[in-house]
Amino acid sequence: GQQLNQSPQSMFIQEGEDVSMNCTSSSIFNTWLWYKQDPGEGPVLLIALYKAGELTSNGRLTAQFGITRKDSFLNISASIPSDVGIYFCAGRSNFGNEKLTFGTGTRLTIIP
Amino acid sequence: KAGVTQTPRYLIKTRGQQVTLSCSPISGHRSVSWYQQTPGQGLQFLFEYFSETQRNKGNFPGRFSGRQFSNSRSEMNVSTLELGDSALYLCASSLGPGGRGEQFFGPGTRLTVL
Repeated sequence: GQQLNQSPQSMFIQEGEDVSMNCTSSSIFNTWLWYKQDPGEGPVLLIALYKAGELTSNGRLTAQFGITRKDSFLNISASIPSDVGIYFCAGRSNFGNEKLTFGTGTRLTIIP
Repeated sequence: KAGVTQTPRYLIKTRGQQVTLSCSPISGHRSVSWYQQTPGQGLQFLFEYFSETQRNKGNFPGRFSGRQFSNSRSEMNVSTLELGDSALYLCASSLGPGGRGEQFFGPGTRLTVL
């Protein structure tokens, strides 16, 4: 089945630093979604990507749909304390059963 | 527009019991997906319902079942609970086929099996 490799698994950064994380897939996706999850809550959709090469921003967050359609990247600029949480990528193919496949998550911690 | 709601938020059961969790999707959304989230396994897809029909199913035993009602509300049931069923159960709603695939999650139900 489809697999998503998300990296890094965890990040420890200082406030104000930029953050980069990525996901790679073993197969082609037509949709990439990025979510953030706070402790005890459900994931919240941050950015949705629908076209290879697409670059989309949401405030300090920027995500890109890789041109191979097998990867996606999320960048956070000038991190702030509320950015702490777990970030998940998710991909969806229009072929086969169309379910979303989720990455394993990147846990972001900000060091005071 | 109200978001996805899940009830109850917390549940404690003992082994062998059964449990039913409920999910109300965003108004106008007709597709509901269920996920199990554990620290070791991440987000695991359980099943998806659209128009009262199961469209997709993950690799979970038959003890896990679900259904969807005509108003798009969904329930999932776990019978003969095991300790390993302790997890956060998340429901997500989307427009359904023809939509752009964005899923919106509820806050989850935290199930603890003792």
